[in-house]
Amino acid sequence: QKEVEQNSGPLSVPEGAIASLNCTYSDRGSQSFFWYRQYSGKSPELIMSIYSNGDKEDGRFTAQLNKASQYVSLLIRDSQPSDSATYLCAVNPPGSSNTGKLIFGQGTTLQVKP
Amino acid sequence: DGGITQSPKYLFRKEGQNVTLSCEQNLNHDAMYWYRQDPGQGLRLIYYSQIVNDFQKGDIAEGYSVSREKKESFPLTVTSAQKNPTAFYLCASSPGGQETQYFGPGTRLLVL
Repeated sequence: QKEVEQNSGPLSVPEGAIASLNCTYSDRGSQSFFWYRQYSGKSPELIMSIYSNGDKEDGRFTAQLNKASQYVSLLIRDSQPSDSATYLCAVNPPGSSNTGKLIFGQGTTLQVKP
Repeated sequence: DGGITQSPKYLFRKEGQNVTLSCEQNLNHDAMYWYRQDPGQGLRLIYYSQIVNDFQKGDIAEGYSVSREKKESFPLTVTSAQKNPTAFYLCASSPGGQETQYFGPGTRLLVL
């Protein structure tokens, strides 16, 4: 079982719709969770970080964390063609509080069609 | 401008050759990281450093070496022992602990 799992996609949504990206992780003691966006050929850029159960909203983006079920999701409202990218989920596994070590999922490719 | 720089953008390696990838940051971050990304894959940790003159192996350190002589710099050497070096190499830094990691623009390494 992979430590951080994402559906590779592609996930295709029409412009203006809500895109829902999901991530599950295996280590129950994981504490910090991050969503990065990566355009083709570019480096990842941070979208959201979330540390406690519940929702965290930033503009059109909402991160949702459920530690009991070991999943974290990213919702993108009013999706735009410019949101088309690969979205990487990253997790700090247990014991990484001093090292900052991150485990990445393989990413989900999102396509927003005009 | 504050940020992370990587050079070169593209690097070509001949068989048996060692090559060094540069990573510099002026964010005053304590921690620095090197990742490798293969097509369609997530990032895999090669080496990381929490403080000057100290570094630890990540999940795929074989065939790579690093140094951390200055806080701002964390160069990665891809040695001839790395038999499949073609990949996108990403350097990141963070203030430390579980703080957010920020990435440089990356270096794409190709084998001739």
